[in-house]
Amino acid sequence: ETGVTQSPTHLIKTRGQQVTLRCSSQSGHNTVSWYQQALGQGPQFIFQYYREEENGRGNFPPRFSGLQFPNYSSELNVNALELDDSALYLCASFKAGRANTGELFFGEGSRLTVL
Amino acid sequence: DAKTTQPTSMDCAEGRAANLPCNHSTISGNEYVYWYRQIHSQGPQYIIHGLKNNETNEMASLIITEDRKSSTLILPHATLRDTAVYYCIVISFWAGGGNKLTFGTGTQLKVEL
Repeated sequence: ETGVTQSPTHLIKTRGQQVTLRCSSQSGHNTVSWYQQALGQGPQFIFQYYREEENGRGNFPPRFSGLQFPNYSSELNVNALELDDSALYLCASFKAGRANTGELFFGEGSRLTVL
Repeated sequence: DAKTTQPTSMDCAEGRAANLPCNHSTISGNEYVYWYRQIHSQGPQYIIHGLKNNETNEMASLIITEDRKSSTLILPHATLRDTAVYYCIVISFWAGGGNKLTFGTGTQLKVEL
């Protein structure tokens, strides 16, 4: 286990609703990244948070937003849910800076189903 | 980020070495090669990474060609628990100490008795 915890593990929403997913980073890590993994595909980078600010973003629309809190935990918010948002959402943490080896520590993910 | 190309699937007998190839012909000089694996329904797990030299750790060995255009991940004695999707990733760092992973579709390794 990596020490990265995500909640909820599974959830079902309907189109147009909003969802919030949560992530607690591993102790000592100050950066959190979020990835979306559709069925049968590799994870796709959504965005990254460092020092409570977004400091990198993939090709995702603005209805995907996030927060990072002073304790380095993070939330992913998705508004106006679409069917294609159904996926496994993965959170990963690491310590940015000179100690960064590029190794990301992933949680087990939150599986979102949009009906 | 440099793209990677991997075979879709591979089979390996338990106890034998599993050699997983990856092509990354457009890699730039400061980009590293990382390998992760994802066991069904779990988050990806880091295995190993390298820049130019071959690397070995308790899980695997990484062989990078001299021109850095391809690499091979070696699991020396594959077990059933090594059945997973293996991702070869070329990582880019950006200012501020951040990094992102660009995953492909990976190689589904099936280890069989």
